[in-house]
Amino acid sequence: SQQGEEDPQALSIQEGENATMNCSYKTSINNLQWYRQNSGRGLVHLILIRSNEREKHSGRLRVTLDTSKKSSSLLITASRAADTASYFCATSSVFWGKLQFGAGTQVVVTP
Amino acid sequence: DTEVTQTPKHLVMGMTNKKSLKCEQHMGHRAMYWYKQKAKKPPELMFVYSYEKLSINESVPSRFSPECPNSSLLNLHLHALQPEDSALYLCASSQSGGWETQYFGPGTRLLVL
Repeated sequence: SQQGEEDPQALSIQEGENATMNCSYKTSINNLQWYRQNSGRGLVHLILIRSNEREKHSGRLRVTLDTSKKSSSLLITASRAADTASYFCATSSVFWGKLQFGAGTQVVVTP
Repeated sequence: DTEVTQTPKHLVMGMTNKKSLKCEQHMGHRAMYWYKQKAKKPPELMFVYSYEKLSINESVPSRFSPECPNSSLLNLHLHALQPEDSALYLCASSQSGGWETQYFGPGTRLLVL
């Protein structure tokens, strides 16, 4: 069963705008990860945030984690057409031995 | 080298065929994974190998048979598949455990006729 739910399911923005997507989960975790998938290709790891961290940055990406609300957000600033992809959050715990993926957010960035 | 390779890229097979998917990584990772992904859905975990031993089997039908010949290679043997098994099959690896960053291959697009 899916641990994470993502919101929105789809997002359409113009180049230069910011894109924000949210992930909620149900049980305690060790870390939360975000992955990007371009159409029909493999997933690419974007960022990992541990349960004792609140915010993390990587280039144009900003991830927040609120363990009290069991939620995370991914912000992509100054989006580009190349950011068009599906974005998945994935939660993990050393007890599960695996990642639990959310349903994903499809992002379309138009020039 | 942070690459996971998968062959073939595309595969078309009949329901009576036997075929294999191959995955290789040279990052020294000791955990490897097979996922199945349908269109517009997240990846679904099928199998996990940890230190070359099968550690997780997510109740996958026996027509899918994984094999880990060594720490760099992972195979998925396919036999008597059904049309509903058509999907993108992804291989991934991580340093030692499933809670870590996983590195994914480009996938094999499988069509079962």
